[in-house]
Amino acid sequence: NAGVTQTPKFQVLKTGQSMTLQCAQDMNHEYMSWYRQDPGMGLRLIHYSVGAGITDQGEVPNGYNVSRSTTEDFPLRLLSAAPSQTSVYFCASSSLQGTSSGNTIYFGEGSWLTVV
Amino acid sequence: QQQVKQSPQSLIVQKGGISIINCAYENTAFDYFPWYQQFPGKGPALLIAIRPDVSEKKEGRFTISFNKSAKQFSLHIMDSQPGDSATYFCAAARAGQNFVFGPGTRLSVLP
Repeated sequence: NAGVTQTPKFQVLKTGQSMTLQCAQDMNHEYMSWYRQDPGMGLRLIHYSVGAGITDQGEVPNGYNVSRSTTEDFPLRLLSAAPSQTSVYFCASSSLQGTSSGNTIYFGEGSWLTVV
Repeated sequence: QQQVKQSPQSLIVQKGGISIINCAYENTAFDYFPWYQQFPGKGPALLIAIRPDVSEKKEGRFTISFNKSAKQFSLHIMDSQPGDSATYFCAAARAGQNFVFGPGTRLSVLP
């Protein structure tokens, strides 16, 4: 019963490097999303997807790219890492965007990223 | 109008006491109000949720109180335990829209 799986758990990058945070879910959820969590800022939505082939920007999309080629996977790409992208990143999924009877969001364990 | 406000930012409670966290929203179209609990080093997990057609929902020591006219809802943790120490997020949602999260409350329950 894996749920939402994120890799890597920890990563240190140098400014200007690129990398991809991986996210996979095994619940056949249509909706997937990426959040970043910073002290005092709560959870801020970066990008989201309502199904394979469909992605959209959230609240803080600059510096990040996403793609959704399959229902299961939703990778987040940092194009040219900056110290301001030092954060904890959470991938999440749910059966639908928003609410319906019994719907909720399931989060991964998080990826700690430090950009030096 | 999409914002969810949450207070306090941090809370310290003695073991056995009552922890109360408050949230407020503006958008009357929201129809689902969950609370998430996050332990250090982990992702948030659903704790309890309520819909606006009821004023209160209780699950064990955790209760949500909902005031539709005031557009406020709160989480009450009765008989707080050190194991309840975590960050709590309120959220609001509606069909077809992304969840909106509050900024979080860090709860510390002293033994």
